[in-house]
Amino acid sequence: EAGVVQSPRYKIIEKKQPVAFWCNPISGHNTLYWYLQNLGQGPELLIRYENEEAVDDSQLPKDRFSAERLKGVDSTLKIQPAELGDSAVYLCASSLDSGQYTGELFFGEGSRLTVL
Amino acid sequence: ELKVEQNPLFLSMQEGKNYTIYCNYSTTSDRLYWYRQDPGKSLESLFVLLSNGAVKQEGRLMASLDTKARLSTLHITAAVHDLSATYFCAVDSNYQLIWGAGTKLIIKP
Repeated sequence: EAGVVQSPRYKIIEKKQPVAFWCNPISGHNTLYWYLQNLGQGPELLIRYENEEAVDDSQLPKDRFSAERLKGVDSTLKIQPAELGDSAVYLCASSLDSGQYTGELFFGEGSRLTVL
Repeated sequence: ELKVEQNPLFLSMQEGKNYTIYCNYSTTSDRLYWYRQDPGKSLESLFVLLSNGAVKQEGRLMASLDTKARLSTLHITAAVHDLSATYFCAVDSNYQLIWGAGTKLIIKP
């Protein structure tokens, strides 16, 4: 069974440029997460989807970040314009619906963003 | 405020030794997860602990959960170099997953 697939793996851009990351979750997983991870730190939730609905986007900086999951499967995370502080690894994860629980997460390899 | 505290944050040990990583949390929960992250890699699920008293073992790693004490432990037995990684615990509570800061484990030959 295929795991969570993310692309691109690496992206280097200049500040003020836009960037987009793509994620394909594990088949059948209706819950999808975007996390940000800085070097030496734990993951920080940006947004959580249940099917196509964003059920928790309280930590997403909406002035420059946006995300979508149009058909409840693939998802895209966009940053426009990027700032130096956005340099980090962007992780996508998916899980089965577990009611009130998040459940076990399965992570993709991540997209490492460097903003120059 | 919901908090998850791991200690130690950094651990350097010799092969063959035993050690324990602790994960304390401040909220009520009976679900906790342990993940492993190798340098430059993503997070890999190690253990899913679903109830008080749960104990899971895989090779030289054993995880346990005491929901009354709000404590989980990850015990390493006779450490080997391949276990060098960063280990995260995450508490599942009230529609949130709250992560510890991670324990960076270095095992020297």
